[in-house]
Amino acid sequence: GAVVSQHPSRVICKSGTSVKIECRSLDFQATTMFWYRQFPKKSLMLMATSNEGSKATYEQGVEKDKFLINHASLTLSTLTVTSAHPEDSSFYICSALGQGRAGGLEQYFGPGTRLTVT
Amino acid sequence: QKEVEQDPGPLSVPEGAIVSLNCTYSNSAFQYFMWYRQYSRKGPELLMYTYSSGNKEDGSFTAQVDKSSKYISLFIRDSQPSDSATYLCAIRGNQFYFGTGTSLTVIP
Repeated sequence: GAVVSQHPSRVICKSGTSVKIECRSLDFQATTMFWYRQFPKKSLMLMATSNEGSKATYEQGVEKDKFLINHASLTLSTLTVTSAHPEDSSFYICSALGQGRAGGLEQYFGPGTRLTVT
Repeated sequence: QKEVEQDPGPLSVPEGAIVSLNCTYSNSAFQYFMWYRQYSRKGPELLMYTYSSGNKEDGSFTAQVDKSSKYISLFIRDSQPSDSATYLCAIRGNQFYFGTGTSLTVIP
């Protein structure tokens, strides 16, 4: 149980175009999902917290107009990178908050999306 | 001071070695501690979790929490090349805090 998928797993796009990444919780409902960015050999950097039916909460320094997040259902959150530039190239990982094995909530991570902007 | 501090390594050990991975944290109120394993180009997967002081074993992994020292550890016994990955500690307070990850390579 507690599987999270991401699509696409890898995408290459041209500078100036927009890219949408989907994050789905496959076997549970997630009112809260998180979007992270990870640079090579670096830890996870939280970009935003996505709550179903409401606006996402962005971390300091993350441009909300550039990284559009939509959490339209309890199983789907999307991240759209608008007007992508080479510096947006990174590994984007989502996670969904679900019931943990020891009680309380745990984050279940997706497999990540590798974005390359040329 | 960061909420969680973790030595990034890299750590390289021979096959069969005992590996010790460590993190320190700043807030004594933190209650829930986790270790994630992340293979290259993959998302993190939850490896172990603890919510009290002491040891917890799962196969070749032992998670240890010392709340008095605000120190958490993950031990890997009889390490294998398949254990080569980045290991992230995480703590849940009012939000999740992740360490920077320790890169481990187990050499055959």
